[in-house]
Amino acid sequence: DTAVSQTPKYLVTQMGNDKSIKCEQNLGHDTMYWYKQDSKKFLKIMFSYNNKELIINETVPNRFSPKSPDKAHLNLHINSLELGDSAVYFCASSRGVRETQYFGPGTRLLVL
Amino acid sequence: SQQGEEDPQALSIQEGENATMNCSYKTSINNLQWYRQNSGRGLVHLILIRSNEREKHSGRLRVTLDTSKKSSSLLITASRAADTASYFCATDGNDMRFGAGTRLTVKP
Repeated sequence: DTAVSQTPKYLVTQMGNDKSIKCEQNLGHDTMYWYKQDSKKFLKIMFSYNNKELIINETVPNRFSPKSPDKAHLNLHINSLELGDSAVYFCASSRGVRETQYFGPGTRLLVL
Repeated sequence: SQQGEEDPQALSIQEGENATMNCSYKTSINNLQWYRQNSGRGLVHLILIRSNEREKHSGRLRVTLDTSKKSSSLLITASRAADTASYFCATDGNDMRFGAGTRLTVKP
């Protein structure tokens, strides 16, 4: 069984569109994260939720909005997509803050 | 917020050789973790070392931590082609931060 899953795996879209990426974990973890990995492979944290509460909100454009309907899900909605948003977005979860993180397979977003 | 910084950025070795990667950080930590990322995949946790530990082993992996120098090293012994991947360190402090990774290539 997949521990952390993301959908879709690939996303190709036009500039200006709005899109969502979904993440689900079946590990019973309390903490979930969104990361962006750019073409240089640098992994940057974007958001973190603990028990559905936002605990990390890095300096990302407010076009990015996370939503956590329950502890097992953390979705990422992106408005008015721009070329620079093209990257691989990873979801991760951990039992608690600062503990071992389990990563999803990534969503490859390409904005044309 | 702090993050780990890996060194070197890229490393290429022959199968059977040992590979050493280093990580430096700036502020105090509770623990430091090493992760591996195969091309096109998510990160996989390898090993965690706590701030009161100096060395830890897991199979062919050996991690050291020097809190006085704020640095850690990951040694992979008897490397295999399958070890080809990017390796990241992550430090906590207030929250988890990753570096840019070391891209290891093991040639068969």
